[in-house]
Amino acid sequence: ETGVTQTPRHLVMGMTNKKSLKCEQHLGHNAMYWYKQSAKKPLELMFVYNFKEQTENNSVPSRFSPECPNSSHLFLHLHTLQPEDSALYLCASSQFGGGNNEQFFGPGTRLTVL
Amino acid sequence: RKEVEQDPGPFNVPEGATVAFNCTYSNSASQSFFWYRQDCRKEPKLLMSVYSSGNEDGRFTAQLNRASQYISLLIRDSKLSDSATYLCVVNHDRGSTLGRLYFGRGTQLTVWP
Repeated sequence: ETGVTQTPRHLVMGMTNKKSLKCEQHLGHNAMYWYKQSAKKPLELMFVYNFKEQTENNSVPSRFSPECPNSSHLFLHLHTLQPEDSALYLCASSQFGGGNNEQFFGPGTRLTVL
Repeated sequence: RKEVEQDPGPFNVPEGATVAFNCTYSNSASQSFFWYRQDCRKEPKLLMSVYSSGNEDGRFTAQLNRASQYISLLIRDSKLSDSATYLCVVNHDRGSTLGRLYFGRGTQLTVWP
């Protein structure tokens, strides 16, 4: 069982809705990540937080808004999404300075935008 | 050019077979290398790190060729439970910068009885 949890596991939303994805890590890590995984495409890094500070925004549209209130929690706020945003959204954590940067993934939120 | 390239497969092999996956990466400054495994509709999980001298973990052997920027994974005596997608992953960052992982598309393996 992974030490990274995500809720909800499944989400269906309309283009005008606002929703949030939640991630929590129980591993004592200091870095957290959001990834997007679409069918037949590699994992795409969206955001990186290191010690609660956002260190990377990989050209993600503003309809995705991350929030990291502390080193254990990470949110992804969603608003006015498009159908092409339907994908599996994965959260991961790692220990910065821990050597090989092994990342531990949560189970993901499968998002469908209607 | 993609950061990490893999043959997407699918590879369909019988139980007991030996199967090899290959991967190439574009950035010669890459520092760390991994194979992750992703089961259908599940999250990726680290299978093994890949070291310069090559390394083995049970039925799994990983090799790295820095000169050719090439990584491989060999699975011997395949089991039904090995059916999954295998992701080649590299880390380009050095030293004090936060490690960023680059993922390949994955190679799909199905082991049949």
